Amino acid sequence: GQNIDQPTEMTATEGAIVQINCTYQTSGFNGLFWYQQHAGEAPTFLSYNVLDGLEEKGRFSSFLSRSKGYSYLLLKELQMKDSASYLCGRTDSWGKFQFGAGTQVVVTP
Amino acid sequence: GAVVSQHPSRVICKSGTSVKIECRSLDFQATTMFWYRQFPKQSLMLMATSNEGSKATYEQGVEKDKFLINHASLTLSTLTVTSAHPEDSSFYICSARSGRGYNEQFFGPGTRLTVL
Repeated sequence: GQNIDQPTEMTATEGAIVQINCTYQTSGFNGLFWYQQHAGEAPTFLSYNVLDGLEEKGRFSSFLSRSKGYSYLLLKELQMKDSASYLCGRTDSWGKFQFGAGTQVVVTP
Repeated sequence: GAVVSQHPSRVICKSGTSVKIECRSLDFQATTMFWYRQFPKQSLMLMATSNEGSKATYEQGVEKDKFLINHASLTLSTLTVTSAHPEDSSFYICSARSGRGYNEQFFGPGTRLTVL
């Protein structure tokens, strides 16, 4: 996706923690979404950040810094089922979405 | 709540034929629906945005005469791929937004199109 950068792939072992960073263009920014997508399936919603700070939801947390154009998704206590692509998405004030290319997380036993 | 369905889930067609994909919001009214295309191991690329009762807005590089979008009601949008070619083979995903609260989009399950 345009102007949204995230790593291509990350590998971690079961039970570990992984942090996926995302940087985006700040002009016109409204909110930051994270979606999970398993191969061949549609994305599913994980989190939405509008204000600076950390939002925690169970094993997943998402952080946003509006001034830095930076977000991260933190996955704790990794499970095999967490192996998927994680999409960072930015919405502008018109509600238009742009997605990053996705980060493929590979969880190994 | 917030379920979006797509039909068909898979379609195989011959080159030159047209294919229609339906996107329905099952339990909410979608003021806006989006159509995305995703090639293997690539991100979702927004093709167009459709608002109920008005013409779709296409992203740069997307041919509006080839990808016809109709959003005739608050619960249904259709994408018709006209004169499909093998390079149109892709995963097409729709999403819908209710217009309430924040801008979360609810995604359909996707349609796998294969053009022979």
